Amino acid sequence: SQTIHQWPATLVQPVGSPLSLECTVEGTSNPNLYWYRQAAGRGLQLLFYSVGIGQISSEVPQNLSASRPQDRQFILSSKKLLLSDSGFYLCAWRFGTGVTEAFFGQGTRLTVV
Amino acid sequence: SQQGEEDPQALSIQEGENATMNCSYKTSINNLQWYRQNSGRGLVHLILIRSNEREKHSGRLRVTLDTSKKSSSLLITASRAADTASYFCATVFGGSNYKLTFGKGTLLTVNP
Repeated sequence: SQTIHQWPATLVQPVGSPLSLECTVEGTSNPNLYWYRQAAGRGLQLLFYSVGIGQISSEVPQNLSASRPQDRQFILSSKKLLLSDSGFYLCAWRFGTGVTEAFFGQGTRLTVV
Repeated sequence: SQQGEEDPQALSIQEGENATMNCSYKTSINNLQWYRQNSGRGLVHLILIRSNEREKHSGRLRVTLDTSKKSSSLLITASRAADTASYFCATVFGGSNYKLTFGKGTLLTVNP
């Protein structure tokens, strides 16, 4: 069976500090990977998605970036955090082929202070 | 940009009643999916309906899709307090099987 791991669960970072959130998937190969951000009481905003190693599609221009150094590893980064980067970050994966649903990690609550 | 828009934004009902949530979207889709999110947690997939399907059932859930109106509805029958959660629709664009975008969600509260 497949599992997704996302960490850390919570993070408090000062403005201007760097960020690295990691997401890994086990039990499948060549998944589609996604990063979403959810503001308090709001919907999910698609930030990045990837269909393969090194292939990143950016949906929202901002000071975040994503990388996929390995097939089942997806990293969300920032060089300098802004207050507006606070939110609930969710990683998700889907099978690389076929009409399928997404499977989500438990999320990271990021507070920039 | 977000593709789907759920309506209503919030819904409060009594246990045993039915809950109906609607979703509208803007462009052609490959499929539409409904998810549930308990507060502060990740999303859990409920049901997927393809663009060539009109209705789908799963337990107490019934989903309809009207591609001519670009809309979908989720019906939860005989609701329970444990159904209290946020519900989101998500669409996969017709031109791509990769991009999965979500609406803003409906917060459902089921009162015991």
